[in-house]
Amino acid sequence: EDKVVQSPLSLVVHEGDTVTLNCSYEVTNFRSLLWYKQEKKAPTFLFMLTSSGIEKKSGRLSSILDKKELFSILNITATQTGDSAVYLCAVDRSGGVDNYGQNFVFGPGTRLSVLP
Amino acid sequence: GAVVSQHPSWVICKSGTSVKIECRSLDFQATTMFWYRQFPKQSLMLMATSNEGSKATYEQGVEKDKFLINHASLTLSTLTVTSAHPEDSSFYICSARDFTRGSTGELFFGEGSRLTVL
Repeated sequence: EDKVVQSPLSLVVHEGDTVTLNCSYEVTNFRSLLWYKQEKKAPTFLFMLTSSGIEKKSGRLSSILDKKELFSILNITATQTGDSAVYLCAVDRSGGVDNYGQNFVFGPGTRLSVLP
Repeated sequence: GAVVSQHPSWVICKSGTSVKIECRSLDFQATTMFWYRQFPKQSLMLMATSNEGSKATYEQGVEKDKFLINHASLTLSTLTVTSAHPEDSSFYICSARDFTRGSTGELFFGEGSRLTVL
């Protein structure tokens, strides 16, 4: 059975700390791995990773994928209270360029709390 | 970026009534949209894939007659919770993938609809 596992499930840090969130997966027909940030409502897109070893960065956030070991990490440096959210990892297991169907598997999320 | 709009954001209804939630892609055409359900402090669970002009594809364990999905146009999908009961109370989210502008194909989510059944 395809699955996505995230760790830790919950994390409390203080402003300025650096955090690393983990996502491991076991899926068939891997296409890409995505990270989302969810605050009070729907998730917002952070990164999409398709190739191993290529780091994606956006401000204080960065992420990298290891397709051999089947995991990804999301790093947040110099955390701020506004980073408090649930961070979701999702794996897209759609197959083929003509297959627009979605077959995402979401992890349980990591609930990050950043204290002032 | 692409925008997906969901309406209503909040809905409270009496047990036994039906509730319709709309999901619109505002600046792109989406042949396929996806409906999720999220319980408190849990991850998103895919309920069904909505296909424009054809029947939706439901995930295992999701009642087709309970959660009616209609995708009548390339920009609108609706989810109707029929004969709602308190256990249907949840946060429902739709999403769509924008391929029309050569994007990388990431999902865009609606704002979500919180349903409370009394």
